[in-house]
Amino acid sequence: AQSVSQHNHHVILSEAASLELGCNYSYGGTVNLFWYVQYPGQHLQLLLKYFSGDPLVKGIKGFEAEFIKSKFSFNLRKPSVQWSDTAEYFCAVSYGGSQGNLIFGKGTKLSVKP
Amino acid sequence: NAGVTQTPKFQVLKTGQSMTLQCAQDMNHEYMSWYRQDPGMGLRLIHYSVGAGITDQGEVPNGYNVSRSTTEDFPLRLLSAAPSQTSVYFCASRKGFEAFFGQGTRLTVV
Repeated sequence: AQSVSQHNHHVILSEAASLELGCNYSYGGTVNLFWYVQYPGQHLQLLLKYFSGDPLVKGIKGFEAEFIKSKFSFNLRKPSVQWSDTAEYFCAVSYGGSQGNLIFGKGTKLSVKP
Repeated sequence: NAGVTQTPKFQVLKTGQSMTLQCAQDMNHEYMSWYRQDPGMGLRLIHYSVGAGITDQGEVPNGYNVSRSTTEDFPLRLLSAAPSQTSVYFCASRKGFEAFFGQGTRLTVV
């Protein structure tokens, strides 16, 4: 079955530290990749997305992600985190065309210490 | 333009009760879906619809029913609530690849 793996359940960083959250997906042909963020008590918001083209994708709030096809990975990065980045981050994949369902990873909780 | 609207925001049910979670979108999106979010489990797909009159099961459909009589609305029905259905429920609509989520319904079954 198609699946998405997020390697870290909970990451704790100090402000200004660099962030990298891992995401791997199972093979399934053409993929569309997403990172969503959920701030405490809120709904999911799209951080960034990859459909095709440049494998380095820039999103909102200084986040970026790199699609590495050979490793089936789509890791999320930010050079310097802020306390306001404290949230839960979800990697998601859809396979095939635009009607493919979104499959989510289990999420990574990020806590940033001021 | 309200996006995706879910009601209610909070609900407490007794075991065996039934209820309907409402979801409406005003973006004329064909694709709509329901997810449940549980700690450590991420979001799991319950049911989805690719257009009015068409619905299909997702990963965890048992205990839930859906219908899609209009493009705008996609209600989720709990037939006989069980404590295992305590969760946060999110409705999403999508056009193309990008999904838009509602604010969620926090459901507790006692």
